[in-house]
Amino acid sequence: AQTVTQSQPEMSVQEAETVTLSCTYDTSESDYYLFWYKQPPSRQMILVIRQEAYKQQNATENRFSVNFQKAAKSFSLKISDSQLGDAAMYFCAYRGGATNKLIFGTGTLLAVQP
Amino acid sequence: KAGVTQTPRYLIKTRGQQVTLSCSPISGHRSVSWYQQTPGQGLQFLFEYFSETQRNKGNFPGRFSGRQFSNSRSEMNVSTLELGDSALYLCASSPGQKYNEQFFGPGTRLTVL
Repeated sequence: AQTVTQSQPEMSVQEAETVTLSCTYDTSESDYYLFWYKQPPSRQMILVIRQEAYKQQNATENRFSVNFQKAAKSFSLKISDSQLGDAAMYFCAYRGGATNKLIFGTGTLLAVQP
Repeated sequence: KAGVTQTPRYLIKTRGQQVTLSCSPISGHRSVSWYQQTPGQGLQFLFEYFSETQRNKGNFPGRFSGRQFSNSRSEMNVSTLELGDSALYLCASSPGQKYNEQFFGPGTRLTVL
């Protein structure tokens, strides 16, 4: 069975600084996708960034980028120039290629200090 | 395009009752998935519907059921409510099979007393 592990329950970063959230996963599938979702206090789940496993290039979306290490089954999220609005719970998620079922990690609560 | 909508947003029920939650996907999306979010268990997949057929099911008891209509709107039903069913229920839609992005609704907060 596929699993997703986020080992950092809470993280804190100063405004304008950079922070990295960790995620590891386990799977025997070769075709899959990885995602980072953000859930602010409003509870609306928002997609931050996605990575297709077959792509070697790390995904980037503005201030958000990932470090995808397929052999190590690691998928970390880097947030650059952190802003107050980045404060939220961040979930790493896995999706196997043949289904839309998302498997989520336990989340990392990110606080941004002014 | 309008986003995913869920109704009602908040619901209070008592043990033993049943409840129906509704999800309207983004126009043109044919896949709807449901998730339960609790502080103790985190985010757990309930089921997925595609073109009115249940395509995938999580490890939940039979009290949890769902369906999808021809317009892709989906409903989720929980019968004989238990205190542990108190949770945020999230619905997500995507265009179809093997699509790599799902869009979430705002959720329905269910409280069972």
